[in-house]
Amino acid sequence: EAAVTQSPRNKVAVTGGKVTLSCNQTNNHNNMYWYRQDTGHGLRLIHYSYGAGSTEKGDIPDGYKASRPSQENFSLILELATPSQTSVYFCASGDDRVQYFGPGTRLTVL
Amino acid sequence: SQLAEENSWALSVHEGESVTVNCSYKTSITALQWYRQKSGKGPAQLILIRSNEREKRNGRLRATLDTSSQSSSLSITATRCEDTAVYFCATDEDTNAYKVIFGKGTHLHVLP
Repeated sequence: EAAVTQSPRNKVAVTGGKVTLSCNQTNNHNNMYWYRQDTGHGLRLIHYSYGAGSTEKGDIPDGYKASRPSQENFSLILELATPSQTSVYFCASGDDRVQYFGPGTRLTVL
Repeated sequence: SQLAEENSWALSVHEGESVTVNCSYKTSITALQWYRQKSGKGPAQLILIRSNEREKRNGRLRATLDTSSQSSSLSITATRCEDTAVYFCATDEDTNAYKVIFGKGTHLHVLP
């Protein structure tokens, strides 16, 4: 059974629309992360969280918000989606530096 | 901020050969990790090597860490076609051990 799940797996959004990407983990890890992956850039950290109620900015937080309402759930929110946010997004949960990744969400913003 | 970076964009080897992926990093670290990402999947951790360790093994994988030159290597022996993947090194910031930053990755192709 997958310990980190993401939904949706694929999403097409319109420019200016609101997009919410969801992540759920059953690892009971305190730390959760959102990355985006683009060719030539590898994995870039957007936001992360130390536990329920906390969110921290990563290296590229502009245009993104995060929400951690519970230990299990961590959402990434694009209030006004732009074509430059077209990417594959990965969520991960972690404990003592080891990170366990979800399967990814492919987002296309038209 | 690119704390860690692999030294090669792509490598190709034939099955059965050995291959080494190298990584350099910029700051003092508490640990360095190697991850593998197969096509269409999320990355999966292979080895975590702490700053007080010089070598770590996991089956056919061997990671080394040289803190004096701020570099690490991941060697794979007896490669198989299923080793074809992108390999990332990742480091933490010594001021924030839970903020893990990934390199851009090395694409390894193992040919039959």
